[in-house]
Amino acid sequence: GEDVEQSLFLSVREGDSSVINCTYTDSSSTYLYWYKQEPGAGLQLLTYIFSNMDMKQDQRLTVLLNKKDKHLSLRIADTQTGDSAIYFCAESKGGATNKLIFGTGTLLAVQP
Amino acid sequence: DTGVSQNPRHKITKRGQNVTFRCDPISEHNRLYWYRQTLGQGPEFLTYFQNEAQLEKSRLLSDRFSAERPKGSFSTLEIQRTEQGDSAMYLCASSLGGPKNTEAFFGQGTRLTVV
Repeated sequence: GEDVEQSLFLSVREGDSSVINCTYTDSSSTYLYWYKQEPGAGLQLLTYIFSNMDMKQDQRLTVLLNKKDKHLSLRIADTQTGDSAIYFCAESKGGATNKLIFGTGTLLAVQP
Repeated sequence: DTGVSQNPRHKITKRGQNVTFRCDPISEHNRLYWYRQTLGQGPEFLTYFQNEAQLEKSRLLSDRFSAERPKGSFSTLEIQRTEQGDSAMYLCASSLGGPKNTEAFFGQGTRLTVV
């Protein structure tokens, strides 16, 4: 079945690193994504990783994928107050539809 | 073209009324998706179009819901006889499709409140 889980809340101090975790159940997932949602706004794609990779780095963002444990994480280095938002992980199988299955989201609160 | 556009941004309606939302995708994108997001939850897939063809519908899409994409460009989502449980944010996304085009761009959503 398809199920994506995340912890609900994370609080960090400005300048620290944030690590947001996600677990998924569908081993046939092809792509795994991280989206950011600010209040009243749509979803912004931050980064994605193909399932045959175990790490991807993009500026302050590092994605780690443990396919054996079906665990995905997003590390944000030097977290800023502007990073405060809800972060969603999502999975897809690619293919004809490539629909996304989202987690429940993690609210990241950055304290100044 | 500045991205995926959704209208209206907010809609308040009385229970039992019909509502229609519009989505204008990024112009060259042939794939279009509708999702629904309720408070405290992640978005849930509703339906998918490739060009004008509706290729997949979630079981969440009851018979009161209908979506169209008549010319393969903009799409509409209609809800008939709205219920309070339909209150949610309705999100539209589009993408280019193809094996190397995996990025879906989301609009800002239409927030529906049924009173």
